[in-house]
Amino acid sequence: DQQVKQNSPSLSVQEGRISILNCDYTNSMFDYFLWYKKYPAEGPTFLISISSIKDKNEDGRFTVFLNKSAKHLSLHIVPSQPGDSAVYFCAVHFGNEKLTFGTGTRLTIIP
Amino acid sequence: GAGVSQSPRYKVAKRGQDVALRCDPISGHVSLFWYQQALGQGPEFLTYFQNEAQLDKSGLPSDRFFAERPEGSVSTLKIQRTQQEDSAVYLCASSLAKSGSYGYTFGSGTRLTVV
Repeated sequence: DQQVKQNSPSLSVQEGRISILNCDYTNSMFDYFLWYKKYPAEGPTFLISISSIKDKNEDGRFTVFLNKSAKHLSLHIVPSQPGDSAVYFCAVHFGNEKLTFGTGTRLTIIP
Repeated sequence: GAGVSQSPRYKVAKRGQDVALRCDPISGHVSLFWYQQALGQGPEFLTYFQNEAQLDKSGLPSDRFFAERPEGSVSTLKIQRTQQEDSAVYLCASSLAKSGSYGYTFGSGTRLTVV
């Protein structure tokens, strides 16, 4: 029973363009939604989060959008840079501290 | 230390061997988590401590897996009689309590290979 789904295993984007990563979830009770970035041989690094009471949160080049009616979360990166090439995981939080992660999307930025 | 430290970074175990994986969380972080990440998958929750209390161990896949944090700081994940399906990266993370909005800080993980 996958509570968090990232349906695109990989995505390639030209440098300077917008990268859009998507995530779908099943439980409307989640209170926070997060994005993590992971480089090879390193642990995931927290990137940005959004509370369930908001629909948008922005931090520099990164913006997370939450569509509660569609149970859909997206991460926009603009402009995309070569250093953004990594695996991106969405994660959901519900009360009990535990995070549940999606399977990840490998983003490749093409110079 | 400044970050979450895990050791060893790599471990090769023969099937049936016992292993112990260590996690040093960020000083002062109350919550500590263990996750298992198989190849091509996202991290899967194993267990959670608040200080020395193990509040959730619902993700431990079998009774061969055991975790402890006796003094509320360093934690050890022990796997007894390892099997090939235990091969994965084991990630430790720590956070201040009630971390929902800013997530946790992960270590670099221990890659376990069972041969």
